[in-house]
Parts: sequence; C-alpha cells; structure tokens
Amino acid sequence: RKEVEQDPGPFNVPEGATVAFNCTYSNSASQSFFWYRQDCRKEPKLLMSVYSSGNEDGRFTAQLNRASQYISLLIRDSKLSDSATYLCVVNGGGSYIPTFGRGTSLIVHP
Amino acid sequence: EAGVAQSPRYKIIEKRQSVAFWCNPISGHATLYWYQQILGQGPKLLIQFQNNGVVDDSQLPKDRFSAERLKGVDSTLKIQPAKLEDSAVYLCASSSLGPTDTQYFGPGTRLTVL
Repeated sequence: RKEVEQDPGPFNVPEGATVAFNCTYSNSASQSFFWYRQDCRKEPKLLMSVYSSGNEDGRFTAQLNRASQYISLLIRDSKLSDSATYLCVVNGGGSYIPTFGRGTSLIVHP
Repeated sequence: EAGVAQSPRYKIIEKRQSVAFWCNPISGHATLYWYQQILGQGPKLLIQFQNNGVVDDSQLPKDRFSAERLKGVDSTLKIQPAKLEDSAVYLCASSSLGPTDTQYFGPGTRLTVL
C-alpha cells in the first residue's frame, strides 16, 4: 500500500457544482496535512492546511479523519479557474518527511 | 518578498552526460527540499536540508545524484551520469521551520534526457 493515495481522476464537473476529493494515508502517526494546488506546467502552491477540527476558506473546506486515516477537500460552487491538480501532503510519523500523493485532476467546464 | 529561484528552467542532455541545478530559497528559510516530479505523478522528495545539514536523503539515488547546501543558503543538485528515466521536473522548495510549515516552491527545472 502506498503511503499517500489519491484518485487521479479526472473529475469533470460543470460550473457551480460541488466536488469532493479524498486522500488516504497509511502512517497512523502522521501529524500534519496539507492540500496544494498545481496548475498545468506550474509549481505546487499551498491551498490550505488541514487541522484536526477541520477548516474552511471561502468555497473550500478541508477535513481530517484520523480514525479512518484520510483527509478530504470539498469545493463548493466550482469555478472554471478551479481546474487544476490537487495534491495532498502528509508529514510526520516520526520522520517529518513530507509525502505527496499523485494528485487528483479537476476539470470544471462551462 | 522574493520567491524561490531556480535555474536553469529547461535542460536537454544526452544520457550519460552530467547536469546540475541551482536553487536559492526564500531568505531566512531554514529548510530546503529537492523533489523530482515525473509526468502524471506527485513530487517525490529526493533530499531535505535543515540549514546546511541533511535531514533525509533516503530516496536520493546516491550512485548518480548528489546535492549540497553550502553555508545553509543556496543549493545545487547534480546528476552524473544521467539516465533516460531521470527525465522529469526538478522542484526546489523551502520552508521557514520544517515540513510542518508551508512549503514554497520554485518554478522547477524541466530536464529531458535523450
């Protein structure tokens, strides 16, 4: 089993739709979690950190489920500009080595 | 605030040749990372520095890859000799304290090995 797993998609949704991605991790001792966004042929950029209590930033909501060892990202009212690859990152478990998932591709169409 | 700088942006070499990449992190950032990103995959950590010391290089193919961060500021990553499977984007990132902090990425170097 890979350390961090994501469904590569693509998720193809219309504008205004709500879409959710999950990311599972294998190391139960992992301590910090992030979602990054990567546009085509660009570098990854932080979208949001994921806290135990969950967090929301505008149309984006991130949650952590430690019992089932996954994090989620919910995007409401999708915009064309949300089209990108969403990467989850998991750190910790004793080594504090950041591990990226392979990313989930989102395509928002008119 | 200036971002993470990398050079060159693109490099094309033939297999068995050598290549070097340079990274200058955000000023004051103690932690520097080198990643390899193959098309369709997420970034894979090659090496992580804390100041000028190596925190982790377990995924660095040490028979051909080397990296250094002299004086705890900028860093170079070298491949010698290159193989076809080294074709990828090499990303440098930095963070203020460590991997529990936000990582800021440079634009990457796109390497093609022919």
